[in-house]
Amino acid sequence: DTEVTQTPKHLVMGMTNKKSLKCEQHMGHRAMYWYKQKAKKPPELMFVYSYEKLSINESVPSRFSPECPNSSLLNLHLHALQPEDSALYLCASSQVDMGFVNTEAFFGQGTRLTVV
Amino acid sequence: DAKTTQPPSMDCAEGRAANLPCNHSTISGNEYVYWYRQIHSQGPQYIIHGLKNNETNEMASLIITEDRKSSTLILPHATLRDTAVYYCIVRVKTGKLIFGQGTTLQVKP
Repeated sequence: DTEVTQTPKHLVMGMTNKKSLKCEQHMGHRAMYWYKQKAKKPPELMFVYSYEKLSINESVPSRFSPECPNSSLLNLHLHALQPEDSALYLCASSQVDMGFVNTEAFFGQGTRLTVV
Repeated sequence: DAKTTQPPSMDCAEGRAANLPCNHSTISGNEYVYWYRQIHSQGPQYIIHGLKNNETNEMASLIITEDRKSSTLILPHATLRDTAVYYCIVRVKTGKLIFGQGTTLQVKP
């Protein structure tokens, strides 16, 4: 099973709403990632978790708050977003062996977020 | 972080080999080259990765030059379903997987 499952698939939220994106994997991977992808652009790394601890934050605004409650789950909490935050949000996971370099990452299908 | 350079677009005839080039002249000795592809509106799909030896799997072959400054992804018999954006990425030790602009491959009948 090489599946990374993201829910919901689509989300529309207002600028004053609070919502969460969820990501789940059962491959025993100990690294999990959030990416943001705008239309016709490559995915941009947002956060990396390693062994349930935040290891990389790519200077993401605080209105995006990641959480890794256990080794299989990754959440992205959203609050006070702007219309320009509308994008495809992708989750990925990988092993951490050999310092990441020799481990492929598997991606979910993403959550299409629209902020109105 | 090592940067990659790819042509923005390429065409390939169905049934022919597709050869996608990538330059990564600043790659370090212990960094791997990864290839992913993304079909419209789907999550990126892992294709193959390598360090310095050529690699082959059921999807593709990866040819890395001896100086490791460039590589080529080969899809041996391209089909219409191979139409996608192909990303060449240098995987760094911190865990970052940084996507460049990629190559849009159009496979034509």
